[in-house]
Amino acid sequence: EDKVVQSPLSLVVHEGDTVTLNCSYEVTNFRSLLWYKQEKKAPTFLFMLTSSGIEKKSGRLSSILDKKELFSILNITATQTGDSAIYLCAVTSYNAGNMLTFGGGTRLMVKP
Amino acid sequence: NAGVTQTPKFRVLKTGQSMTLLCAQDMNHEYMYWYRQDPGMGLRLIHYSVGEGTTAKGEVPDGYNVSRLKKQNFLLGLESAAPSQTSVYFCASSLVQYTEAFFGQGTRLTVV
Repeated sequence: EDKVVQSPLSLVVHEGDTVTLNCSYEVTNFRSLLWYKQEKKAPTFLFMLTSSGIEKKSGRLSSILDKKELFSILNITATQTGDSAIYLCAVTSYNAGNMLTFGGGTRLMVKP
Repeated sequence: NAGVTQTPKFRVLKTGQSMTLLCAQDMNHEYMYWYRQDPGMGLRLIHYSVGEGTTAKGEVPDGYNVSRLKKQNFLLGLESAAPSQTSVYFCASSLVQYTEAFFGQGTRLTVV
């Protein structure tokens, strides 16, 4: 059974801090890993990673995948209160009928 | 841009009652999904569809049924609601398999 574990469960930082969120996985026939940000309602897509060692970057957010060690990290630099959200990691595999398998999420709170 | 629309947004049911959640997408996506989100457990796949007229079971299908009579709509039914089905339900769609999914705003269902 595919498994995705995120850590920490929750995190409280102050504006301007840098945070690192972790996602480890056990997936048969891994295909991709995706990061989502969930504020009050619908998760919104951040990144998809398929190749190991390649960094995806969007503004202050960046993510990297390590396919050998089976994990990904999401970095947020110079955090802002608007970064407060639940960050979800999900993986997909090549197995037939296997869709997005999500981790439990990391709840990030950024204080002014 | 409507994207993925879910109705209703909130609902309270009594144990044993039935209801249908409607999901509509206007992006001409082939793939549609129903997830439930419970505290600390991330998103778990209930059922999904790979095209009009097709449905398949996900990780937690028991107690739910689905139908995809039209490409743009994906219905989730609860025939006899139970308190364990109290959750937030998300519908999502994607253009192709294994890529980013777009989520609706969620339906908060409480079964008393």
